[in-house]
Amino acid sequence: AQSVSQHNHHVILSEAASLELGCNYSYGGTVNLFWYVQYPGQHLQLLLKYFSGDPLVKGIKGFEAEFIKSKFSFNLRKPSVQWSDTAEYFCAVTGRGSQGNLIFGKGTKLSVKP
Amino acid sequence: EPEVTQTPSHQVTQMGQEVILRCVPISNHLYFYWYRQILGQKVEFLVSFYNNEISEKSEIFDDQFSVERPDGSNFTLKIRSTKLEDSAMYFCASSVDRGAGELFFGEGSRLTVL
Repeated sequence: AQSVSQHNHHVILSEAASLELGCNYSYGGTVNLFWYVQYPGQHLQLLLKYFSGDPLVKGIKGFEAEFIKSKFSFNLRKPSVQWSDTAEYFCAVTGRGSQGNLIFGKGTKLSVKP
Repeated sequence: EPEVTQTPSHQVTQMGQEVILRCVPISNHLYFYWYRQILGQKVEFLVSFYNNEISEKSEIFDDQFSVERPDGSNFTLKIRSTKLEDSAMYFCASSVDRGAGELFFGEGSRLTVL
């Protein structure tokens, strides 16, 4: 079955700490991978995406993610978090040729302490 | 910055009543979507819509659900006879390209069925 697993439900960090949020997917065929972020009271917005090419992709606000095909993973990283990164982060996958059927993980809530 | 807008932000209805959730996608987008998130669960794909017809739908999107683009700007989700389990946050999204591209989400409409 197609699915996305996010390992951490809630992560609490102090400012300047490094962040890594895990994401594993199960999907037959070639995939497109996404990380979306939802800041408190706001809508889901795209942080970064991977379609092909360099498996290390850079997104907005200093975030990056690495696609490791052999591990079916697409972990999100940031070397130094800020209080403003407090949000919920969602990993999502879709297949090539999909009509927009994104499969989301349950999300990881990140709380950054000032 | 253009955005997807949704109304109402919160609707409370009695079981068995019809509900229409409205969305105004970004004006030059061609692909439209509805997702939902039951409290504590994953964001789930419901349906995608292009060129005035459904492109893809999930198992959740049964005969109780319908979508329509009644004019050049609105995109609606109708639930014909609501059930308690329809209580969720419903997100509308739109994109320029098919599902491999970036989806722009609205802030959601919270539906509470009593």
